[in-house]
Amino acid sequence: QVQLQQWGAGLLKPSETLSLTCVVSGGSFSDYYWTWIRQSPGTGLEWIGEINHSGDTNYSPSLKSRVTISADSSKNQFSLKLSSVTAADTAVYYCARLCRYFGDYPYYYYMDVWGKGTTVTVSS
Amino acid sequence: SSELTQDPAVSVALGQTVRITCQGDSLRRYCASWYQQKPGQAPVLVIYGKNKRPSGIPDRFSGSSSGNTASLTITGAQAEDEADYYCNSRDTSGNRGVFGGGTNLTVL
Repeated sequence: QVQLQQWGAGLLKPSETLSLTCVVSGGSFSDYYWTWIRQSPGTGLEWIGEINHSGDTNYSPSLKSRVTISADSSKNQFSLKLSSVTAADTAVYYCARLCRYFGDYPYYYYMDVWGKGTTVTVSS
Repeated sequence: SSELTQDPAVSVALGQTVRITCQGDSLRRYCASWYQQKPGQAPVLVIYGKNKRPSGIPDRFSGSSSGNTASLTITGAQAEDEADYYCNSRDTSGNRGVFGGGTNLTVL
C-alpha cells in the first residue's frame, strides 16, 4: 500500500524559503506524477505544481516565479521549495500522487494517495 | 479566481439525495475528480474518471458529467458524509491542475 510521508520546517520568517520533502513508500515512483497542494486557513485547496521522475514540471501561474519542485528517484522522494515567503503562504501543505489517464476520451487526472499535511506558518 | 466553480454550501436531510456541482470550460475535455475533506484531515478521493470509486468508498457516491458541468451525487446521505467537497481537473491548456472553491455539505 502506497504511503506518502512528508516533512519540513513548520515556522518561517518572511522572506525565507519554505522547504518540504515527501517520500514515497510501498509503490512505484517512476510510473506517476507527484503533486503539491496547499490550503490556507479557512480556505479551499490550491494546486501548486507537479513533477514526474524525470523532472518534468508544471507550476501554478500565480506561484511559478517562486516555486521549485524537484525529484530524486534514487530516494523515491520529491521536494517543494517556495522562496520569499510571506504571511499569505501560511497554509497546510500536502503532497499527493497524481494518476493520469489518456485512453478513451475524455481524459482524466486524479490524486489517489495523499500525505498527512504539514502546517507551515510564516510569522515575524 | 478558480477556473472551476462550486456552490459554497449545500444541505441535505438525512437519507435524502444531494447533488454537488462543478462548472468549468475544461470539464468539456477532462473529467473531474472529487475529494471529501473533514476538519483537520487530508482530502480523500471519492470519485474519479467516468464515475469510478476507489476501494472503500461507499456506492452511495456517484459522479456524472454533462457539457461543462460535473456532478457528485450522494444517494441516501449519512451523517458521516458531512464534509467539504472539492472538484479537481485540469485547466483548459491541460498543463495545470485546478480545484473548485469547495462545497460545504451539511446533513440535517
